Amino acid sequence: EVQLVESGGGLVKSGGSLRLSCAASGFTFSSYGIHWVRQAPGKGLEWVASISGSSSYIFYTDSVKGRFTISRDNAKNSLFLQMNSLRAEDTAVYYCARDNLIQGATAGFDLWGQGTLVTVSS
Amino acid sequence: DIQMTQSPSSLSASVGDRVTITCRASQAIINSLNWYQQKPGKAPQLLIFAASRLQTGVPSRFSGSGSGTDFALTIRSLQPEDFATYYCQQTYSTPLYTFGQGTKLEIK
Repeated sequence: EVQLVESGGGLVKSGGSLRLSCAASGFTFSSYGIHWVRQAPGKGLEWVASISGSSSYIFYTDSVKGRFTISRDNAKNSLFLQMNSLRAEDTAVYYCARDNLIQGATAGFDLWGQGTLVTVSS
Repeated sequence: DIQMTQSPSSLSASVGDRVTITCRASQAIINSLNWYQQKPGKAPQLLIFAASRLQTGVPSRFSGSGSGTDFALTIRSLQPEDFATYYCQQTYSTPLYTFGQGTKLEIK
């Protein structure tokens, strides 16, 4: 089955760290860019970070630069998000999502995990 | 950064109605506009990509239009399962793939 499954969420104190994982199956993981997208309780979607298939290109939204690190292990079909110096405003459901590649360009995200909740207490 | 503005923020409609949600980009994005549906407690689902292309498996009552800065998602003949929140997203400004704030479609 083609799927993404996140894990690693939980309750952490402000200033703490957490590592999220995203396990992929059913497709050639290394061929796709993967993204982290978060959604604060009752709020909209926010793109957080992206990594290309070969890890050559990595990008972050400004609010997490220097605190979050995205990485992947293609041999294990896994994506990670190391989150340090967590703040209350990082509280959200975190989704991993796959590139919808159309002629080599990203045309949305066509496969999403179920999400994992990160709660940062102040 | 490119800002995406959806309207309306919420909408009430009845089963069988035709509804249109609009999305405006703060600068031209050609046709790099995608639409998602999200139901409570679930992950978003890609409906439309490249402004007007229907994702595989999505019912044909969904359609997208527009280019440049102004886009629309139209659902003709609303079904009970269509009541959800809809988001637009631009993928023109790599990789700052900003989303609109969402439009909640509710049953009248």
